[in-house]
Amino acid sequence: DGGITQSPKYLFRKEGQNVTLSCEQNLNHDAMYWYRQDPGQGLRLIYYSQIVNDFQKGDIAEGYSVSREKKESFPLTVTSAQKNPTAFYLCASIIVWLSEAFFGQGTRLTVV
Amino acid sequence: DAKTTQPPSMDCAEGRAANLPCNHSTISGNEYVYWYRQIHSQGPQYIIHGLKNNETNEMASLIITEDRKSSTLILPHATLRDTAVYYCIVRGGGTYKYIFGTGTRLKVLA
Repeated sequence: DGGITQSPKYLFRKEGQNVTLSCEQNLNHDAMYWYRQDPGQGLRLIYYSQIVNDFQKGDIAEGYSVSREKKESFPLTVTSAQKNPTAFYLCASIIVWLSEAFFGQGTRLTVV
Repeated sequence: DAKTTQPPSMDCAEGRAANLPCNHSTISGNEYVYWYRQIHSQGPQYIIHGLKNNETNEMASLIITEDRKSSTLILPHATLRDTAVYYCIVRGGGTYKYIFGTGTRLKVLA
């Protein structure tokens, strides 16, 4: 079945450690996105990538980094510079710029 | 992308139509209106989108005003499973940037 897979579903890390969240899609979509969601809040855009080896900052990119070495994969690294990393992280993809977005089921990151 | 404004919350009785409004007064001519919903702790799900004509699919109807400054998502017979946060998004203009707002939290009451 085609879709977007985020792993793991739950992730725990100690403060000061970098952590990488995985996002893989087998939909052959060109563009991919990372969002952060805090409790009771909407989605905020962290980074997005239109094509391989290219990505742009969203509205809250500070403390995060991404790579897009393969079309299917768009991993997000939450660095120790992110002051409040505990949140629900969602990955999405679209096939072309006006198409609808497909979302993964999210990774809930808790930093203690 | 144009900014959207939605009420933070709404209630609807089960079996009745749920009408969710969205204001997008700065929308430009080549921008589309999209609707998504997010059931608790899941990824958002696409519902419908339109440019200027009304649209209908198996999930919902989208009514866009003639001046395109606002729209309404209609769930014709709301069920308890429609309880979710509904996001109205405006996008287009050749950009891939995809911005979600805070949405409307719809609660369907038995």
